[in-house]
Amino acid sequence: AQTVTQSQPEMSVQEAETVTLSCTYDTSESDYYLFWYKQPPSRQMILVIRQEAYKQQNATENRFSVNFQKAAKSFSLKISDSQLGDAAMYFCAYRSAWGGGSNYKLTFGKGTLLTVNP
Amino acid sequence: DTGVSQDPRHKITKRGQNVTFRCDPISEHNRLYWYRQTLGQGPEFLTYFQNEAQLEKSRLLSDRFSAERPKGSFSTLEIQRTEQGDSAMYLCASSLWENEQYFGPGTRLTVT
Repeated sequence: AQTVTQSQPEMSVQEAETVTLSCTYDTSESDYYLFWYKQPPSRQMILVIRQEAYKQQNATENRFSVNFQKAAKSFSLKISDSQLGDAAMYFCAYRSAWGGGSNYKLTFGKGTLLTVNP
Repeated sequence: DTGVSQDPRHKITKRGQNVTFRCDPISEHNRLYWYRQTLGQGPEFLTYFQNEAQLEKSRLLSDRFSAERPKGSFSTLEIQRTEQGDSAMYLCASSLWENEQYFGPGTRLTVT
């Protein structure tokens, strides 16, 4: 079974600064997807960024980028120019890419609570 | 389309009572998922539908839990004889095949 570990329960960053959230995972599969989801207080979870394991290039979405290290099974999220609206719980998630396995369900880490200080 | 909706948003019930939650997915999405999120944890998969067929149930889903998705549209999750350990946020998500899962706002259940 796959597991996802987020070792930072809480992080804080000053507005306009850069912060990196860590995530490691364990899997025996060679092809899979990794995600970062954002869950603001009392609001629904939204997808921030996704990475396909077969792609060597790190995904980027505006101020959000990832550092995907497949051999190390590491998938960190970098938020640049942090804004007050970035404050939220961030979850790292894994999903298998192949049919016949659990390619439909997401496996989440425990989350990292990000505080943005003005 | 306004996204995935869930009803109610909050439910307080006494131990031993039955509760039912509803999820309305994005209209063209054929897959629907239920997750449970307890305090300090990430969401955990409960069950999954493709159209009206329930294709997978987690071992977390005891026999007190039942889910349906009649006609492949909305879904209901019923918990019978609730226990305090059932207190959690119940999240619904939908997707078109294996594409991105869109989450609803969740139903927060408190069992007293």
